[in-house]
Amino acid sequence: SQKIEQNSEALNIQEGKTATLTCNYTNYSPAYLQWYRQDPGRGPVFLLLIRENEKEKRKERLKVTFDTTLKQSLFHITASQPADSATYLCALDASSGGYNKLIFGAGTRLAVHP
Amino acid sequence: ETGVTQSPTHLIKTRGQQVTLRCSSQSGHNTVSWYQQALGQGPQFIFQYYREEENGRGNFPPRFSGLQFPNYSSELNVNALELDDSALYLCASSSTGTFTFGSGTRLTVV
Repeated sequence: SQKIEQNSEALNIQEGKTATLTCNYTNYSPAYLQWYRQDPGRGPVFLLLIRENEKEKRKERLKVTFDTTLKQSLFHITASQPADSATYLCALDASSGGYNKLIFGAGTRLAVHP
Repeated sequence: ETGVTQSPTHLIKTRGQQVTLRCSSQSGHNTVSWYQQALGQGPQFIFQYYREEENGRGNFPPRFSGLQFPNYSSELNVNALELDDSALYLCASSSTGTFTFGSGTRLTVV
């Protein structure tokens, strides 16, 4: 069955450093992959989408890479700030039969300390 | 443009009862999906509605059902509630493959 794994442990980093979050998947070949941010008690907020034919995507301080051979995506936040503290979810496209569906990982909690 | 709004924000129900959750989709989005998120887990796909019809379903029993209305708003109904149904229920609207999520309804079944 399809499986998505994200770092289960919380990631603690110092303000100003680069945070790197990992998303690994098995038994699947998604057409695209998305990253979302989720704050406690809130719904996920879309950050970035990267397609299978793209190696890297950037948006301001965010960078995503997608390696379809390794079946892995890396999510980087450069010059991290305490406001970046949240849970980050990786989601794979599992669209089928004319409908759009995402399969989510369990998320990685990031804590940025001043 | 308005985002996705869900109601109520919190709800407590007794095992065996029925519940209806509501969602207003983002302006211009004609597709609505519902997800269930248990504590510490990622959201799990329940089903999707397009043009008032269910066009995709995840691994959830028939007691989970839904509706979509002509204005693209949607309802999620759960019958015969079980303790394991306690979760955050998220509605997401989409039009081009990216999803806008609401803040969810926190359902507690006691």
